[in-house]
Amino acid sequence: DTGVSQDPRHKITKRGQNVTFRCDPISEHNRLYWYRQTLGQGPEFLTYFQNEAQLEKSRLLSDRFSAERPKGSFSTLEIQRTEQGDSAMYLCASSLRQATYNEQFFGPGTRLTVL
Amino acid sequence: GENVEQHPSTLSVQEGDSAVIKCTYSDSASNYFPWYKQELGKRPQLIIDIRSNVGEKKDQRIAVTLNKTAKHFSLHITETQPEDSAVYFCAASRDNYQLIWGAGTKLIIKP
Repeated sequence: DTGVSQDPRHKITKRGQNVTFRCDPISEHNRLYWYRQTLGQGPEFLTYFQNEAQLEKSRLLSDRFSAERPKGSFSTLEIQRTEQGDSAMYLCASSLRQATYNEQFFGPGTRLTVL
Repeated sequence: GENVEQHPSTLSVQEGDSAVIKCTYSDSASNYFPWYKQELGKRPQLIIDIRSNVGEKKDQRIAVTLNKTAKHFSLHITETQPEDSAVYFCAASRDNYQLIWGAGTKLIIKP
């Protein structure tokens, strides 16, 4: 499968615990995005990377959230001291900056449930 | 900041009929407008997109129209089929990376 992959697909955790998600983009894509999607809503932009540089962060991304893309390939999203309000689907997408169209290809998502 | 409103939230049409979903955006600098389809439990997938330098784009049964003056764009699906049932999202972007999404339209195709 050469698409965007995410791991794990599901995560159940207790409030206050830390969680980390991984995203592997399409191999030649230099842009990587993280979104959060709650039931019945569209995805909300969280942050994006161009290669290893994190170029934009939404105000939705509190200081409990941190994202990295150390080698410009895979990325991790960590949530510290999880809260029940963090329960959502976390989607990763990637795109190719040089492409004429900025089509973002999405991964299957990681569904987080905070108890 | 940019805001995208999408209507209706739910749309039910008879199989074979047409479906139209409308979106409005607030940022006049937006120049890229994709539409994504998300089936239950699956990832969003791009079905069509349009840039601000054109007014209409078609791809088989799907078309998108853009009115820059009024700041709205619409998705048109003709000859609807059961497999068109899904949630459709519009989005807008001014900077070629940050997409601002509508709340989605649940399209139901009645047999």
